[in-house]
Amino acid sequence: GDSVTQMEGPVTLSEEAFLTINCTYTATGYPSLFWYVQYPGEGLQLLLKATKADDKGSNKGFEATYRKETTSFHLEKGSVQVSDSAVYFCALMRAAGNKLTFGGGTRVLVKP
Amino acid sequence: DTAVSQTPKYLVTQMGNDKSIKCEQNLGHDTMYWYKQDSKKFLKIMFSYNNKELIINETVPNRFSPKSPDKAHLNLHINSLELGDSAVYFCASSHRGPGANVLTFGAGSRLTVL
Repeated sequence: GDSVTQMEGPVTLSEEAFLTINCTYTATGYPSLFWYVQYPGEGLQLLLKATKADDKGSNKGFEATYRKETTSFHLEKGSVQVSDSAVYFCALMRAAGNKLTFGGGTRVLVKP
Repeated sequence: DTAVSQTPKYLVTQMGNDKSIKCEQNLGHDTMYWYKQDSKKFLKIMFSYNNKELIINETVPNRFSPKSPDKAHLNLHINSLELGDSAVYFCASSHRGPGANVLTFGAGSRLTVL
């Protein structure tokens, strides 16, 4: 079945540091890939998405590139802020369906 | 105006009780979902409805019964609550169709079973 694996946290960084969260997936066909973010006490929000190989999703300084050859969708940000402290979820959705399969989430804590 | 709203936000109850969580969306979406988030933040889909019809039903105990009176509402009723049901339950909605359908999530309902 479909699965998403992402690095376990917590990831603790200083402000303005570079952030990378690794995500790899297993799925048949060509799924769409997503990063969702959950701020403390809130629901999930879409951060960015990519629908085909070599697509780059970007939003709020975050980027991720759909790499079919390595089945990966790693999230990066060049300079994090305290307000980026949250749990980040990588997810996939098969082209034929609406079921979103999530990774286990990575907690990121940015210290001033 | 909240796009996906769930009530109640917090629910504390005793084992064996029956409880319901309600969800409403005003986005005009035709598909709604329930996800369960456990204490380790792991998210798993439970159910999905499209235009009031059940389309996804994961291996969830039959103590959980979703009900969709119309495509803007999806309620979750839980019978005979157990300690392991303690979690945060998220409702979500989306359009259904080809392509990357983005889910919009509610703020969650934290259920604590004592």
